[in-house]
Amino acid sequence: DAGVIQSPRHEVTEMGQEVTLRCKPISGHNSLFWYRQTMMRGLELLIYFNNNVPIDDSGMPEDRFSAKMPNASFSTLKIQPSEPRDSAVYFCASSFRAVTDTQYFGPGTRLTVL
Amino acid sequence: DQQVKQNSPSLSVQEGRISILNCDYTNSMFDYFLWYKKYPAEGPTFLISISSIKDKNEDGRFTVFLNKSAKHLSLHIVPSQPGDSAVYFCAAATGSQGNLIFGKGTKLSVKP
Repeated sequence: DAGVIQSPRHEVTEMGQEVTLRCKPISGHNSLFWYRQTMMRGLELLIYFNNNVPIDDSGMPEDRFSAKMPNASFSTLKIQPSEPRDSAVYFCASSFRAVTDTQYFGPGTRLTVL
Repeated sequence: DQQVKQNSPSLSVQEGRISILNCDYTNSMFDYFLWYKKYPAEGPTFLISISSIKDKNEDGRFTVFLNKSAKHLSLHIVPSQPGDSAVYFCAAATGSQGNLIFGKGTKLSVKP
């Protein structure tokens, strides 16, 4: 398996624009996680899905952020409208079942909002 | 308030010596702890874990120690190698369905 795939790897956009980050989890994994890494806050869980259903989205910063998982092999994280403070590295991870099963991370998307 | 704290942002160690990375937590409900390693421009990768029923778990050069009374865990790398140079994240969870809470990471540099 190719591992968790994220696209794009880098995204530079202007404030107010919509940004969509994409993730393909490892085949057979039932849980998918979106994390954000910043210098100030470290690695934070934004939302996680189990069997395509959002289980906990308490980490989503505000209504500008939304995540979907239409099927077991694809998820998106959307920011609309984007703001400079959203600049960070966004990671997607997947695991076989539970949160504490080994999570396999993608390479991340580095987002810069100007 | 951070529930998982890694108070040392960086650590430098000579090759062949022991590296000790520390992690403190505040939530006594945490019962599962993990260490992840991260190289630049890559996602974190799982390294080793320990559940609260144990106080030590060993995997090759890596050993994690858990002191529940002190709410403290540490990762020992012996002997340290230059390839171990990376950022190490400590993480904790409550049960199998609890969220993973990560520390901010410690950057380890192992010098030849």
